[in-house]
Amino acid sequence: AQSVAQPEDQVNVAEGNPLTVKCTYSVSGNPYLFWYVQYPNRGLQFLLKYITGDNLVKGSYGFEAEFNKSQTSFHLKKPSALVSDSALYFCAVRDGNSGNTPLVFGKGTRLSVIA
Amino acid sequence: GAVVSQHPSWVICKSGTSVKIECRSLDFQATTMFWYRQFPKQSLMLMATSNEGSKATYEQGVEKDKFLINHASLTLSTLTVTSAHPEDSSFYICSASKGRGDYGYTFGSGTRLTVV
Repeated sequence: AQSVAQPEDQVNVAEGNPLTVKCTYSVSGNPYLFWYVQYPNRGLQFLLKYITGDNLVKGSYGFEAEFNKSQTSFHLKKPSALVSDSALYFCAVRDGNSGNTPLVFGKGTRLSVIA
Repeated sequence: GAVVSQHPSWVICKSGTSVKIECRSLDFQATTMFWYRQFPKQSLMLMATSNEGSKATYEQGVEKDKFLINHASLTLSTLTVTSAHPEDSSFYICSASKGRGDYGYTFGSGTRLTVV
């Protein structure tokens, strides 16, 4: 079974500062990892994914994430936060060895960027 | 590419009535679609996996007779909440994949259901 942990319910950061949203995962097979962002009453927007290859993945809107197999982590980062980055962020995982299976989501982390 | 359209965006219905939510893949064929439910300030909980041309697979604890899922074509899946009650009020989101899933999953914009 797969699971995702996002240990922080809320992350506050000043505009212009770097931000990190933490994610750790558990999967029995090959991890496929994703980050999504959700704005109020909206669906999820894809930010980035790790399937294979370089551990540092670059995605939309200047976000990046680093896959760390030994620590089973996939933290989301951005060098300089914008107020418009304020939203709910979800980390998700699926087992890449198991065909077209659904994503399992973390509970989400609310990011608040303060001007 | 990979756009998923979900309608309606919001709906208010009376207790005891049924509501249908549509999820369409606009520019790709989706053999599999997933339906999630999200409570306020909580994560997405998988309700069921919808496979084109076959019965949906429901997660444990989800009433299949209450949440009817139909996936009649490669571009359309519907979720019908039957005999809705206030506790069914929630945000429902569908998701579809173009292929094996390593392409990522595209999500609909969600449907806010309020049962009064």
